[in-house]
Amino acid sequence: SAVISQKPSRDICQRGTSLTIQCQVDSQVTMMFWYRQQPGQSLTLIATANQGSEATYESGFVIDKFPISRPNLTFSTLTVSNMSPEDSSIYLCSVYQGSAAGASYNEQFFGPGTRLTVL
Amino acid sequence: GQSLEQPSEVTAVEGAIVQINCTYQTSGFYGLSWYQQHDGGAPTFLSYNALDGLEETGRFSSFLSRSDSYGYLLLQELQMKDSASYFCAVSPDRGSTLGRLYFGRGTQLTVWP
Repeated sequence: SAVISQKPSRDICQRGTSLTIQCQVDSQVTMMFWYRQQPGQSLTLIATANQGSEATYESGFVIDKFPISRPNLTFSTLTVSNMSPEDSSIYLCSVYQGSAAGASYNEQFFGPGTRLTVL
Repeated sequence: GQSLEQPSEVTAVEGAIVQINCTYQTSGFYGLSWYQQHDGGAPTFLSYNALDGLEETGRFSSFLSRSDSYGYLLLQELQMKDSASYFCAVSPDRGSTLGRLYFGRGTQLTVWP
């Protein structure tokens, strides 16, 4: 299994500003993912972050708004840029290990999330 | 586009059995997963089906019918701690992007004593 930490755990920001969320994993993983979950809603995949290549964004999400870094196999950041109240959400990172490291096939591990409120 | 439908809420009493259904329409399909999420917590993996049939893991079982684009999660011997949201999720790809998941809206399960 993988243990994932995120920083910050929560933040309150002013509109027009940017926030960078960090995701740290306790083991090396090839693929990391960023999701958004609005209160009481489902999880929506923002992008896939592979080390050594640019992130791949899902429909409706763009790099200018959500730039992602993946400098090594244990770390990634997601920046929420030029924030508006509509960006208020929980942002979660997750990792996929496949059948390696004793994980069930296709099991993903999620971080605790970053609760963002934009005023 | 991607569409996963599941009931918004289900209630049951302790010791009962409950089934949460999921139907999906996705541009690709490789497998169906189920995740549990308690209030304020991270989603945790419960089960995964890539092939038709039933997968059993303790009190939880999951079923998939690829021809019907349908699956369900069966929870037996319900306990109060099972009160949570349950999400079905489709893996649309295989290979290098197998980890991508599209989630349903979630089913809020309430277990009463």
